[in-house]
Amino acid sequence: GQNIDQPTEMTATEGAIVQINCTYQTSGFNGLFWYQQHAGEAPTFLSYNVLDGLEEKGRFSSFLSRSKGYSYLLLKELQMKDSASYLCAVTDSNYQLIWGAGTKLIIKP
Amino acid sequence: IAGITQAPTSQILAAGRRMTLRCTQDMRHNAMYWYRQDLGLGLRLIHYSNTAGTTGKGEVPDGYSVSRANTDDFPLTLASAVPSQTSVYFCASSEGSGRVTGELFFGEGSRLTVL
Repeated sequence: GQNIDQPTEMTATEGAIVQINCTYQTSGFNGLFWYQQHAGEAPTFLSYNVLDGLEEKGRFSSFLSRSKGYSYLLLKELQMKDSASYLCAVTDSNYQLIWGAGTKLIIKP
Repeated sequence: IAGITQAPTSQILAAGRRMTLRCTQDMRHNAMYWYRQDLGLGLRLIHYSNTAGTTGKGEVPDGYSVSRANTDDFPLTLASAVPSQTSVYFCASSEGSGRVTGELFFGEGSRLTVL
């Protein structure tokens, strides 16, 4: 079966750095997405990786290793507004999205 | 403001009643999707449409139907609601047609409670 694994919840301190991991087992691979979802709101797009390596976008970076079936989202200089759930999703061989359950990130002052 | 509009934002419904969740986008995207989101589970695809006039079944289609008469509208209908359909429903769209290779744009969600 197809599976996306992420930690259920993480806690970090304002101003610090946090890494949210995502491992996947899917029938084929055509890209990996990270979305941010604040409580009670819609998911919003953060990043898309299709090749191995690190993609940096401001305070957020996303890394992909296709051979390991692994990705991480790195958030630097954490702010209180970064408290949200972070969703990992993979497009399989049919270009359909498979979603992880999300990681709830709690930022403490 | 460009984007996706869903209605209603929240609804309480008696079991057995028929309900239609509306979704309209003004981005001229080909593909549209309906997901449900339940606590502890990832987003699950109910139905999708790669282009106007076509629809397909997702992971959890039972009890739901959709139509795509034009590019902009993609309503989701629960013919006879059951309590297990209590969930938050998200409509989404993307530029691609059948292949997710880019960002999905989501509506604000419709919170449905079936009693």
